[in-house]
Amino acid sequence: QKEVEQDPGPLSVPEGAIVSLNCTYSNSAFQYFMWYRQYSRKGPELLMYTYSSGNKEDGRFTAQVDKSSKYISLFIRDSQPSDSATYLCAMNPWWAGGTSYGKLTFGQGTILTVHP
Amino acid sequence: GAVVSQHPSRVICKSGTSVKIECRSLDFQATTMFWYRQFPKQSLMLMATSNEGSKATYEQGVEKDKFLINHASLTLSTLTVTSAHPEDSSFYICSVGSGTDTQYFGPGTRLTVL
Repeated sequence: QKEVEQDPGPLSVPEGAIVSLNCTYSNSAFQYFMWYRQYSRKGPELLMYTYSSGNKEDGRFTAQVDKSSKYISLFIRDSQPSDSATYLCAMNPWWAGGTSYGKLTFGQGTILTVHP
Repeated sequence: GAVVSQHPSRVICKSGTSVKIECRSLDFQATTMFWYRQFPKQSLMLMATSNEGSKATYEQGVEKDKFLINHASLTLSTLTVTSAHPEDSSFYICSVGSGTDTQYFGPGTRLTVL
């Protein structure tokens, strides 16, 4: 079983739809949670960063963390064709120490297409 | 967040040659940088953790003699793919670690070995 599970999709939605992207994890030590957006042939871009259970909103994006269920989500409201990309969840422990310091564990990535 | 650049963005080389990829942290002093490779439609695979002034830590299965990493300053890390072969063709991405929490990624380098 992978430490982080993410549905690879692909996910196709019409413009204006609400998109829900999800990851589950098994390591209860994970405390920091991130969502990255990656356009084709580009490096990942940090979208959202959270470290506690609950919701965090930034414009059309809302990140949700439920540590009791080991489940995180990213919601995109009023989706646009420019949101078409691969979305990666990532996480790391409160303190890993040693050779694991700062390492991120990634989900597989979900390919999202928003069509006009 | 940190701004990270990579050079070159794309490189094509012949089998057997060595290729050097540079990763620069433009506005952040990075004691730790990470090197990843990514195959089409797959997630990022961590290759190694690069610490300024010390030897890199390689992930299991990554040949350290083939993928040479040098992190000589707080703003520059280099990855050299030695004696490259077609199976080394991939998308190589570096990132800057900002502590225990997040990483900021470069734009990536596409390596094609003929």
